[in-house]
Amino acid sequence: AQSVTQLGSHVSVSEGALVLLRCNYSSSVPPYLFWYVQYPNQGLQLLLKYTTGATLVKGINGFEAEFKKSETSFHLTKPSAHMSDAAEYFCAVRDKNAGNMLTFGGGTRLMVKP
Amino acid sequence: GAVVSQHPSRVICKSGTSVKIECRSLDFQATTMFWYRQFPKQSLMLMATSNEGSKATYEQGVEKDKFLINHASLTLSTLTVTSAHPEDSSFYICSGGSVGYGYTFGSGTRLTVV
Repeated sequence: AQSVTQLGSHVSVSEGALVLLRCNYSSSVPPYLFWYVQYPNQGLQLLLKYTTGATLVKGINGFEAEFKKSETSFHLTKPSAHMSDAAEYFCAVRDKNAGNMLTFGGGTRLMVKP
Repeated sequence: GAVVSQHPSRVICKSGTSVKIECRSLDFQATTMFWYRQFPKQSLMLMATSNEGSKATYEQGVEKDKFLINHASLTLSTLTVTSAHPEDSSFYICSGGSVGYGYTFGSGTRLTVV
């Protein structure tokens, strides 16, 4: 069975500071990995995804994530936080052998201080 | 890009009534529709998986007679919460697509049962 762990349910950074949201997964097969963002009272928006190929993946809004197989991690980063980045972020794994369903981490709420 | 239109975005209903949530895939065919539920401050949890023309597969602990899922066409799937109770108040979100094409989330429905 797959699982996804997001370290830190709340992360607070100052505007302009580095954003680092951690995600570790367990999977019996090479997974597809995703990061989603959810703004208040809105649906999920895909930030980026890793399927195959280059392990450093660039997404929208200046976010990127690096797949590290040896560490079973897919941490999300952004060099400089903006106030508009304040939202809930979810890491997810898709199991190709389980009907392509997504397994989500618990989410991390990012707060950006002025 | 692919869009899944989910309606309504918000609904308030009285305890004991039923509520139908629709997810329509626009410009693509959603062979599979996943239905998720998110309680406040929690992550998304998969409720059920439906494939067009087949009965939905429900996750453990999800009552199939309470959460009726219909996926009669490749562009429409519905979730009906029957005899809703306050504890059913949650954020419901669908994700539709197919193998090889990918999956897209709807914008979610916030259900409040009073």
